[in-house]
Amino acid sequence: SQTIHQWPATLVQPVGSPLSLECTVEGTSNPNLYWYRQAAGRGLQLLFYSVGIGQISSEVPQNLSASRPQDRQFILSSKKLLLSDSGFYLCAWRTVNYGYTFGSGTRLTVV
Amino acid sequence: SQQGEEDPQALSIQEGENATMNCSYKTSINNLQWYRQNSGRGLVHLILIRSNEREKHSGRLRVTLDTSKKSSSLLITASRAADTASYFCATASLYNQGGKLIFGQGTELSVKP
Repeated sequence: SQTIHQWPATLVQPVGSPLSLECTVEGTSNPNLYWYRQAAGRGLQLLFYSVGIGQISSEVPQNLSASRPQDRQFILSSKKLLLSDSGFYLCAWRTVNYGYTFGSGTRLTVV
Repeated sequence: SQQGEEDPQALSIQEGENATMNCSYKTSINNLQWYRQNSGRGLVHLILIRSNEREKHSGRLRVTLDTSKKSSSLLITASRAADTASYFCATASLYNQGGKLIFGQGTELSVKP
């Protein structure tokens, strides 16, 4: 079956520390993958998307970066976190019928 | 960039009533999708309607699409307390790169028992 895993569920990090959030997909190959951020009580902002290994498209300039080292792995990173990086981060992949399946999300608090 | 805008931002109704949420968008689309999010959780795909479709049903959900007005509505009939959640519309551009979806700000629905 097709599933998406995202971890950790919650994370508290100090300002200036690095970040690595991982997302993996099972049961499909060559998926389109996406990273979104959701501020409290707001909609989702698309951060990055990838249509294949090593291919990353950035939607907004920011303090974050993304990488896709393997077909079903998508990583969101930062070298030095800012307070404004706090939020709810969601990974998603696009299914064959064009709908998205989302991971359970990571709530990041930068202190 | 923001594409979909939902209206209203919040909606409170009694169990058994119908709930209608609206979404407007700006650019030409390939399809429009509705998602549901329970508090603190990931989003769940509800329904997709293509640009050449005008209406679609799924259980108690009814979605309409008016491409001339660049708007869509989601109707939940005979609402239940378990329908309490945030609902988001999302659009896939006609000139899409990578199949990306642009989400609106959402409507927070509260169904009181």
